[in-house]
Amino acid sequence: AAGVIQSPRHLIKEKRETATLKCYPIPRHDTVYWYQQGPGQDPQFLISFYEKMQSDKGSIPDRFSAQQFSDYHSELNMSSLELGDSALYFCASSLFSDTQYFGPGTRLTVL
Amino acid sequence: QQQVKQSPQSLIVQKGGISIINCAYENTAFDYFPWYQQFPGKGPALLIAIRPDVSEKKEGRFTISFNKSAKQFSLHIMDSQPGDSATYFCAASRFGSSNTGKLIFGQGTTLQVKP
Repeated sequence: AAGVIQSPRHLIKEKRETATLKCYPIPRHDTVYWYQQGPGQDPQFLISFYEKMQSDKGSIPDRFSAQQFSDYHSELNMSSLELGDSALYFCASSLFSDTQYFGPGTRLTVL
Repeated sequence: QQQVKQSPQSLIVQKGGISIINCAYENTAFDYFPWYQQFPGKGPALLIAIRPDVSEKKEGRFTISFNKSAKQFSLHIMDSQPGDSATYFCAASRFGSSNTGKLIFGQGTTLQVKP
């Protein structure tokens, strides 16, 4: 069965640079969630989209923005990167608000 | 403030034993309680989930017990195997017209099953 695809899998950036993370949901899923997981931490909700509209927002810094496109893929844009942004970033998709299926994640390292 | 509290933080079990992880939640509006399994560097994978209209759900070696009045739920892993060694997260969410189903996770439990 098709799963959630995330790219890139690994990303290394310098402080103050920008990063773009991509997420391709499971086909026919209409909802995308983004989570951030620090080392040894539980995943923290950042933002979600339903049918290409932002549906909820969590503890996402103003330096971050995201959108969902017409083909339902989503991108998380991160600017002015800080050392503390180093984490695993997961995308999950669901059909409406049903079971969420997580992608393999993008490991972001900020040097 | 942690809305979902999970314990223990770590757990060591012998092969064939029973692993038990507990979670407690505050918000009575939560109506969906999944458990996720995560291996290092991988994404969380759904193990089993329950809604508050049932007190127990079993899938293979995994069982969720749910106590609505106590606002607690637990995961039991029967006949634990070394391949079960991973981090387990409980989570909670609420659905509805004004909600989006975002998951609130517990702090996680690192399970080690010794051969």
